[in-house]
Amino acid sequence: AQSVTQPDIHITVSEGASLELRCNYSYGATPYLFWYVQSPGQGLQLLLKYFSGDTLVQGIKGFEAEFKRSQSSFNLRKPSVHWSDAAEYFCAVGAVKTSYDKVIFGPGTSLSVIP
Amino acid sequence: DAGVIQSPRHEVTEMGQEVTLRCKPISGHDYLFWYRQTMMRGLELLIYFNNNVPIDDSGMPEDRFSAKMPNASFSTLKIQPSEPRDSAVYFCASSEDRGNEQFFGPGTRLTVL
Repeated sequence: AQSVTQPDIHITVSEGASLELRCNYSYGATPYLFWYVQSPGQGLQLLLKYFSGDTLVQGIKGFEAEFKRSQSSFNLRKPSVHWSDAAEYFCAVGAVKTSYDKVIFGPGTSLSVIP
Repeated sequence: DAGVIQSPRHEVTEMGQEVTLRCKPISGHDYLFWYRQTMMRGLELLIYFNNNVPIDDSGMPEDRFSAKMPNASFSTLKIQPSEPRDSAVYFCASSEDRGNEQFFGPGTRLTVL
């Protein structure tokens, strides 16, 4: 079965600064990879996903993520953060190769944005 | 499509009472998931269904929790009797495939006094 870690529990950045949120996974093959965002009081919304092909994936709200097989990582980036990006971000790993596979969510990274 | 619908959005009850949370998945999605989110434990998968059949309920915390999916458009999560430690936000999500992207509902915030 797969697993996923997000090393940073909380990150604070200034508005306009660049952002990178880290995600590492463990799986024996190429998994499906997702980033979700949860604004306060809301459900989780998909930002982007990777299944195959180009390892640099573009998502909504100006986010992108890069799949690096050699590092088992799928880090989320944004060149310029807006105050409205303050939220909880979840990396998730999915697979359907065995009957035990399903989507596993990381613990989340809380992002604060300083004006 | 209206997305995943959950009701109620907020529920306040007293310890010992029965609580029923409801979910309507996106039409055509064969998988339905119930999650619980707390500050201490994060997002936990409680149970998921495929074509209305429970597949994995290993995340259900104890026998007080039960879930049903009588048809493709409706599922319930029941807690009986409820306890203060059950206070959390409960999310329902659906997907076309168990390893694919999931669409989440807005959640039900449960408070057990």
